[in-house]
Amino acid sequence: QQQVKQSPQSLIVQKGGIPIINCAYENTAFDYFPWYQQFPGKGPALLIAIRPDVSEKKEGRFTISFNKSAKQFSLHIMDSQPGDSATYFCAAAGTGANNLFFGTGTRLTVIP
Amino acid sequence: GAVVSQHPSRVICKSGTSVKIECRSLDFQATTMFWYRQFPKKSLMLMATSNEGSKATYEQGVEKDKFLINHASLTLSTLTVTSAHPEDSSFYICSASSGRQIYFGNGTRLTVT
Repeated sequence: QQQVKQSPQSLIVQKGGIPIINCAYENTAFDYFPWYQQFPGKGPALLIAIRPDVSEKKEGRFTISFNKSAKQFSLHIMDSQPGDSATYFCAAAGTGANNLFFGTGTRLTVIP
Repeated sequence: GAVVSQHPSRVICKSGTSVKIECRSLDFQATTMFWYRQFPKKSLMLMATSNEGSKATYEQGVEKDKFLINHASLTLSTLTVTSAHPEDSSFYICSASSGRQIYFGNGTRLTVT
């Protein structure tokens, strides 16, 4: 059973565009929602994370929007660059827990 | 950010042999480390949770006798794939937690011939 659902599976945008990746969850015990970026042959790198007490968090060109009532959260990448081409995973963890439940990943391609 | 070092990055072994993968937290102590397996173009699948000084907790369907996990210190966990077979070929990734933030190693590509 997929605890965190992620879409789309793949995404292609032009340089400068704003790709948006969406995730949804069911378990209301989740209280930590990180996003990871993974390049081929490398481990995932933590990009940005949010807790359910805020609706938005911004770090550089990356923004997480969080809708607690809808149990959805999304990643927006502003002014996307070809170097942002990677696979992005959303994840969730429960209160006091550190084992992450991952989404299925989104392969982003930014065309120059 | 925190650094998790995983070694080796690539290993090729013959069927029937055992392979050990190390995961170290370089600048923080990790009471809990996690081991994942990732198939090509797929998400990460949690295999087990490694707790310092105690037995690992394995996810359903993961053979504990095949994937031996040892967490001997607060900075080191090891995964040993015993009697490896070609179907064990995969990308194995460890992670360690520092507070609520979780950091990943760079993974180990295991190929069993």
